[in-house]
Amino acid sequence: QSALTQPVSVSGSPGQSITVSCTGTSSDVGAYNYVSWYQQYPGKAPKLIIYDVINRPSGVSHRFSASKSGNTASLTISWLQADDEAEYYCSSYTSSSSLVFGGGTKLTVL
Amino acid sequence: EVQLVESGGDLVLPGGSLRLSCADSGFSISSYYINWVRQAPGKGLEWVASFSGISGTLYYADSVKGRFTLSRDSGRNSLFLQMNGLRAEDTGVYYCARGVGLRYFDFWGQGTLVTVSS
Repeated sequence: QSALTQPVSVSGSPGQSITVSCTGTSSDVGAYNYVSWYQQYPGKAPKLIIYDVINRPSGVSHRFSASKSGNTASLTISWLQADDEAEYYCSSYTSSSSLVFGGGTKLTVL
Repeated sequence: EVQLVESGGDLVLPGGSLRLSCADSGFSISSYYINWVRQAPGKGLEWVASFSGISGTLYYADSVKGRFTLSRDSGRNSLFLQMNGLRAEDTGVYYCARGVGLRYFDFWGQGTLVTVSS
């Protein structure tokens, strides 16, 4: 199972919005509404920020939103803040009864 | 409070074995999966294996199938990952995470470091 494709890096200034894409195939992202997103700070465990394509866990900021179209999912962070600077990973359930992650996207807040 | 605590990480020779433990508390395993996810130094996340607390089914990534084995000790609320035939590419931080099926992982432990090197 190949990793989902994410941009290596994205950047934005405080107050701006950014979008991170996550491209899979018709066997994972395109087949199920089971895409999730994780935020990870250096040296820390990942934190779930989006599940089942569009849902935010309790306590996650409304500035985080997500969507999916075909084989590509997207995470949008609005009103960027300094502490949004982190690595972001997408993941998807697959038709092989497994889970696949994206390669990760480093967000830099300028 | 949901908690997952990993232990057992160590430095091991190539070809060697190691057993990792994940102790869970604060929830009923019968409604969730317990999963292992690893992260090589400076690299991304990789799903390794999962245990279904609902059915007892075990799932493995192709990269570890035949070398890694999951087992569960219900009395100790612990999941074990027996790792045999270790390779340099198995080096990394191993996280234990609670899963809602294989859909998403909502709680994570802090990880345990496995280093495979001569």
